[in-house]
Amino acid sequence: GDSVTQMEGPVTLSEEAFLTINCTYTATGYPSLFWYVQYPGEGLQLLLKATKADDKGSNKGFEATYRKETTSFHLEKGSVQVSDSAVYFCALSMNTGNQFYFGTGTSLTVIP
Amino acid sequence: DGGITQSPKYLFRKEGQNVTLSCEQNLNHDAMYWYRQDPGQGLRLIYYSQIVNDFQKGDIAEGYSVSREKKESFPLTVTSAQKNPTAFYLCASPTGRNTIYFGEGSWLTVV
Repeated sequence: GDSVTQMEGPVTLSEEAFLTINCTYTATGYPSLFWYVQYPGEGLQLLLKATKADDKGSNKGFEATYRKETTSFHLEKGSVQVSDSAVYFCALSMNTGNQFYFGTGTSLTVIP
Repeated sequence: DGGITQSPKYLFRKEGQNVTLSCEQNLNHDAMYWYRQDPGQGLRLIYYSQIVNDFQKGDIAEGYSVSREKKESFPLTVTSAQKNPTAFYLCASPTGRNTIYFGEGSWLTVV
């Protein structure tokens, strides 16, 4: 079935370090791919998305490119800030319906 | 502003009690979902509803019940049959166009 696998956490980085959180997917068709962010004690917010192969989603300095050949959607940011500390979820949705599949989340802590 | 409102933010349940978590949306979406999140864990689907007056069990429905009498509302009842209810509960609603919105969540603790 359709699923998402993302990098285990927790991840701890110093401020201004480079961030990569890996995400790979399994899908029978052509999904849309998402990264959601969850700040402590809050719900999930959409960070970025890509709806077809080779699309790049970007927002707040974060980027992810939809790679069909490697079935991946890795999240990157060139210089993280303390305020980026949160849990990041990779997700996919098949374009035919309302079903969403979430990864287990990766906790990021950025230290000054 | 359109969105999803969950209440209460914090709720305490005594052993053997049923409690109900509220979820209201003014987005005019047909579908609504309930997820459970345990500390350090991902999301697990409890129940979902694709349209008013209809709902389906998710992966961990045992010990929970829902109703969908109105399009805007999808309350979740945590029954006494749920043996380990302490968790963070998230209500969500997909747009039908590959986006899903979440409420702010409700913390339930058994005392």
